[in-house]
Amino acid sequence: AQKITQTQPGMFVQEKEAVTLDCTYDTSDPSYGLFWYKQPSSGEMIFLIYQGSYDQQNATEGRYSLNFQKARKSANLVISASQLGDSAMYFCAMREGPMNYGGSQGNLIFGKGTKLSVKP
Amino acid sequence: DAGVIQSPRHEVTEMGQEVTLRCKPISGHDYLFWYRQTMMRGLELLIYFNNNVPIDDSGMPEDRFSAKMPNASFSTLKIQPSEPRDSAVYFCASSFPRDRTNTEAFFGQGTRLTVV
Repeated sequence: AQKITQTQPGMFVQEKEAVTLDCTYDTSDPSYGLFWYKQPSSGEMIFLIYQGSYDQQNATEGRYSLNFQKARKSANLVISASQLGDSAMYFCAMREGPMNYGGSQGNLIFGKGTKLSVKP
Repeated sequence: DAGVIQSPRHEVTEMGQEVTLRCKPISGHDYLFWYRQTMMRGLELLIYFNNNVPIDDSGMPEDRFSAKMPNASFSTLKIQPSEPRDSAVYFCASSFPRDRTNTEAFFGQGTRLTVV
């Protein structure tokens, strides 16, 4: 079974509007972290935002916010005031378990990604 | 810090040849990951190390693939013999456990491998 599901292969948004990119996850571990990365056409992977499973509040980083709904196992990325430079692939990822020294947890699993295109 | 450094950036090789990809993680990071990215399969975790020890190599596609981390500042991913289906972008990433909780991985620029 897929651990991370991104159901939107592609999305379009008008410049200056907000957009939500969907991500659902599957884990039985009570301790996990959720991450969003951006991959522009140049190919590098850029970390955007992180949400821990025990965090009480939704994470925010500038124009990025994470709509974390734990009971539904969803961690949607919201980009406010879209800019042309936001056009890229966006990946949701999850790490299960705390990263203890020498522990067996720590792997970071990615979804298939959503291609976002911002229209002028 | 220069970030995660991968070499080479591009590699073109003939089928059957040995290919070695290299990675220098960020100093102080003790987790290192190797990923493969293709259009068909997306980002696949191949193997990851903690304190130079391989923890999970279940993502390594077959015995033709091997990875080593001889010290904290260097890792290699080797494919021998290479096949056209190995053509992909290979990413190395590193991270450190901050406050013993989850933390992000920092990615290198990737190596684009083409096997002809």
